[in-house]
This record gives sequence, structure tokens and C-alpha cells, in this order.
Amino acid sequence: DSGVTQTPKHLITATGQRVTLRCSPRSGDLSVYWYQQSLDQGLQFLIQYYNGEERAKGNILERFSAQQFPDLHSELNLSSLELGDSALYFCASSPMTGVGQPQHFGDGTRLSIL
Amino acid sequence: AQSVTQLDSQVPVFEEAPVELRCNYSSSVSVYLFWYVQYPNQGLQLLLKYLSGSTLVKGINGFEAEFNKSQTSFHLRKPSVHISDTAEYFCAVSGIGNAGGTSYGKLTFGQGTILTVHP
Repeated sequence: DSGVTQTPKHLITATGQRVTLRCSPRSGDLSVYWYQQSLDQGLQFLIQYYNGEERAKGNILERFSAQQFPDLHSELNLSSLELGDSALYFCASSPMTGVGQPQHFGDGTRLSIL
Repeated sequence: AQSVTQLDSQVPVFEEAPVELRCNYSSSVSVYLFWYVQYPNQGLQLLLKYLSGSTLVKGINGFEAEFNKSQTSFHLRKPSVHISDTAEYFCAVSGIGNAGGTSYGKLTFGQGTILTVHP
């Protein structure tokens, strides 16, 4: 058990819809990272938050947004969903920001778009 | 920017045999290196990391990796594998001192190597 909790585990929805994925980091971790894992793109970094502030952006679509709340949990919002958004979405956390911090991953949310 | 190439998409091996999973990276800045393992229907678990110091790094479950700066490689090895080592393994890098300070620890992953251990 990594201590990172992601809900829901599975999500099935239709094209055009909007969903929210939730992540609770390990106790004491201030930094949250979101990654997308798909068969064609592999594991791709989406976005990072540290103590409530956005710190780094990767290959995140404009239809996607995220935030980190005062209690440090984070939500990833995906809107106007397309078939290609079907993927496994991981959240990871680390104590601080900055390189070298080992990231601990949750079990992911599997999103299926019908 | 960084990139990671895992040279083998699948590696079959018999139980108790040695195994090496190969990883090469490319980066314009110095890097930290990581190996993660993903078991079916689970998240990624950190096996080991290289930050500095000795180039031979020991991790969990009997795995070790060697950082070779001249060859820009970070191959993962285990002298004797077990059935329970069957999983997908990911090599990842994190760039140090990215221009503009935009790294903040994000990981760039390779495509993964599926290790299958046969009895």
C-alpha cells in the first residue's frame, strides 16, 4: 500500500461528458503529480501541484484541468471527453517538490469512454 | 528535455535465471534515474533510484541497477528471478536544473518492459 488513494477505481462514461478523478496523497506529502497511461502514448506526465499551487505542466490537454485543495487532496477534471481519452490515470505524491523526490503512486483510475 | 528508451518490450526468462532489463536515456542536463515496477491492476512501485554517489544501486526484491554516464544507461539486473517478479518494469528520469526551472521533479518514463518468468 503506497498510501496514495485514488477514487473511483473505474469510470465508464460517454463521449462529450465530464468526469472528476480524485486523489488523496500520502500523509505529509505536499506535492501531487498526475500521469496518464495509455497503450499508444505510454506513461505521460500531465501536471504537478505543490501545496496548492500549480508547479509544472506536461502534455495536458486544454479540456483537462486540475487543482489541489487546502487539505492537499487533488482533483483532475476531464471534459468534452473523446474516445482517445480512455486510459489509466495515476496520481503520485512526494514530500516536497523538486527533482530526486521519489514519487509514490496510487492504483489509478481506469477511464473508459464508450 | 529528456527521453528514455527501454530496449526490450518483452523479456521472457526461466525461474532462477539471471535477467537484465535495458534502459538508455537522453538528456541535455544531469538526471536522476529510477526504476519502477507495475504488477497487474496496480500502481507503480519504486524499485530503486540513482541520485548521486555509487553508480551501483541496490533496490528492493533483490534488484540492482548500474548507472553508466558515458553510455547514458541505467540497466536493471537480478541474479536469480522468481515467478513473482513477473510484471512490467519502467525506467524513468528526472532532469536536474531544467531551463526555466520547470522540471520540479516530473518523471519521463520509458515504454516499459514486460518481464515474464516461466517455471
